[in-house]
Amino acid sequence: QSALTQPASVSGSPGQSITISCTGTSSDVGSYNLVSWYQQHPGRAPKLMIYEGSKRPSGVSNRFSGSKSGNTASLTISGLQAEDEADYYCCSYAGSNTWVFGGGTKLTVL
Amino acid sequence: QVQLVESGGGVVQPGRSLRLSCAASGFSFSAYAMHWVRQAPGKGLEWVAVMSHDGRNKYYADSVKGRFAISRENSRNTLYLQMNSLRAEDTAFYYCAREGEVQYFDYWGQGTLVTVSS
Repeated sequence: QSALTQPASVSGSPGQSITISCTGTSSDVGSYNLVSWYQQHPGRAPKLMIYEGSKRPSGVSNRFSGSKSGNTASLTISGLQAEDEADYYCCSYAGSNTWVFGGGTKLTVL
Repeated sequence: QVQLVESGGGVVQPGRSLRLSCAASGFSFSAYAMHWVRQAPGKGLEWVAVMSHDGRNKYYADSVKGRFAISRENSRNTLYLQMNSLRAEDTAFYYCAREGEVQYFDYWGQGTLVTVSS
């Protein structure tokens, strides 16, 4: 149950696009199309942004999109806005009824 | 609307026990698997445990296996986490979360802080 690998931080200017990677193994990200992404503002609970790799829950902006290639999943945020500044976590089902999170990425909107 | 409210956190000495509760409302609690996820202060999220909708199946992260026990009372719309033999490294915010249709967490509580310290 090793954590998925995410960059510690990414940054972008308002209006730009950024991508956060999430690298796992053939036992988790690579085996299942079950990666989800969560946004967490300071002092707040995580919020679901993407599930099943690329699906958006109702109410989540279409500026958020997800994809996967091999053992790496990605979250792309287009048209960056100030309110997007937060921590982002990926999570993958890892088989045998276990889940694994990434270490988290701090997004700074410059 | 869906609401999850955790309680039971506090300061506890190493080796002691604590039980967390998660009160659910706004949805059919007995129809959903429920999870506990924790977050050490300033650190990332860590999945802890899951219980199936009917309470028949439960699974744990290796880091808590044998020490923590997840349970639920569907009649009370409540999820529990019994934490025994607590260690300093168990210090964290503990969130309960509802599992969506396919292996994701669609609603989260606000968390309750557990501090293990002498």
